[in-house]
Amino acid sequence: AQKVTQAQTEISVVEKEDVTLDCVYETRDTTYYLFWYKQPPSGELVFLIRRNSFDEQNEISGRYSWNFQKSTSSFNFTITASQVVDSAVYFCALLGNTGFQKLVFGTGTRLLVSP
Amino acid sequence: NAGVMQNPRHLVRRRGQEARLRCSPMKGHSHVYWYRQLPEEGLKFMVYLQKENIIDESGMPKERFSAEFPKEGPSILRIQQVVRGDSAAYFCASSPPSDLGSEQFFGPGTRLTVL
Repeated sequence: AQKVTQAQTEISVVEKEDVTLDCVYETRDTTYYLFWYKQPPSGELVFLIRRNSFDEQNEISGRYSWNFQKSTSSFNFTITASQVVDSAVYFCALLGNTGFQKLVFGTGTRLLVSP
Repeated sequence: NAGVMQNPRHLVRRRGQEARLRCSPMKGHSHVYWYRQLPEEGLKFMVYLQKENIIDESGMPKERFSAEFPKEGPSILRIQQVVRGDSAAYFCASSPPSDLGSEQFFGPGTRLTVL
């Protein structure tokens, strides 16, 4: 079975603080993909990143960075110098190679950034 | 290139009525996925379709729910005899015909409210 756990239900920070959102996954597939999506208050889903299981290089995109650790089955997401516009629900998702392209989502972490 | 389109954006139905949700994939995409997001929860996979074929419907409730993706026209998710528990946001995603792991592009969602 495939599973994604986002243990942090809600995080509150003050603007300019750094914040890390945790994601732990379970899969028996040898090939799989991990995703992060952002869902702002308006409700749509915004794609942030896709990472395949063979690429453990960390990635940085502006204020966003991702830390993929296969040894601990984690794919954590860090926002540096958070801004109010970062307030949203963030979802981590897993796509295995035996699931017919079915994305398995975590329950999400609500991030509140206050001025 | 227009993104994934869903309509209506908001739908209100009374118990026992039928709900029809439409999804037009991105141009060139032949794979469509439907996900449901219950209030305060993550997205759950419902069904994966290609043109005129249901590939995986393991997440569809056994009764009252059906989906199609005809040769011409949008994909339709149909819910018969709606109940209050069907109130949720329904997201459609599409991807091009390619290998495992291709990004799924999400539509803005249809928010169904059952009175």
